[in-house]
Amino acid sequence: NAGVTQTPKFRVLKTGQSMTLLCAQDMNHEYMYWYRQDPGMGLRLIHYSVGEGTTAKGEVPDGYNVSRLKKQNFLLGLESAAPSQTSVYFCASSYIFLAGDSDTQYFGPGTRLTVL
Amino acid sequence: GENVEQHPSTLSVQEGDSAVIKCTYSDSASNYFPWYKQELGKRPQLIIDIRSNVGEKKDQRIAVTLNKTAKHFSLHITETQPEDSAVYFCAASISGYSTLTFGKGTMLLVSP
Repeated sequence: NAGVTQTPKFRVLKTGQSMTLLCAQDMNHEYMYWYRQDPGMGLRLIHYSVGEGTTAKGEVPDGYNVSRLKKQNFLLGLESAAPSQTSVYFCASSYIFLAGDSDTQYFGPGTRLTVL
Repeated sequence: GENVEQHPSTLSVQEGDSAVIKCTYSDSASNYFPWYKQELGKRPQLIIDIRSNVGEKKDQRIAVTLNKTAKHFSLHITETQPEDSAVYFCAASISGYSTLTFGKGTMLLVSP
């Protein structure tokens, strides 16, 4: 049981290049999330998904796209990377997230992305 | 939307002292308040959470208190140890939504 995994762990891009970050979970979780973490800014939600085939925007969605074609995978894409997207990206998942009876979000190990 | 403020941003204590981190939230509809710990270079991990139907919850040296009227909640760590050194994040969720809003984090440094 690997939990939540992310690939790659590190990546360096040039401005304008594209890339896809992969998040996978083997806990049969319905909900998946992508966050970015910048110094002094905490964890900010980029996009999330409440089930296979669904996606929704979070707090900072501009410049990113996501897809959830399979329940266990959640992809984050950068079509044209910018230096402002230099950050550590965390994926998370939870079994179910009911208001008033919420479940734990389990985080992946993170991807450190640098855009030059 | 929800706004979560967290204080202090850094906290230095001596081993054995207590540490308190405070968070305030803006939306009175929020009813779930987890705390995450993130060690250097690692992923955030849940350490304790509280729901709005209780005022306090304890787990060994860690406790969380909630004041719904004032819209603030706090993390209390007693008998701190060097391994408690980490960044701590509070978060809140709004009824009917499926996402968490995080505070900006508190870096706790416990000196031996």
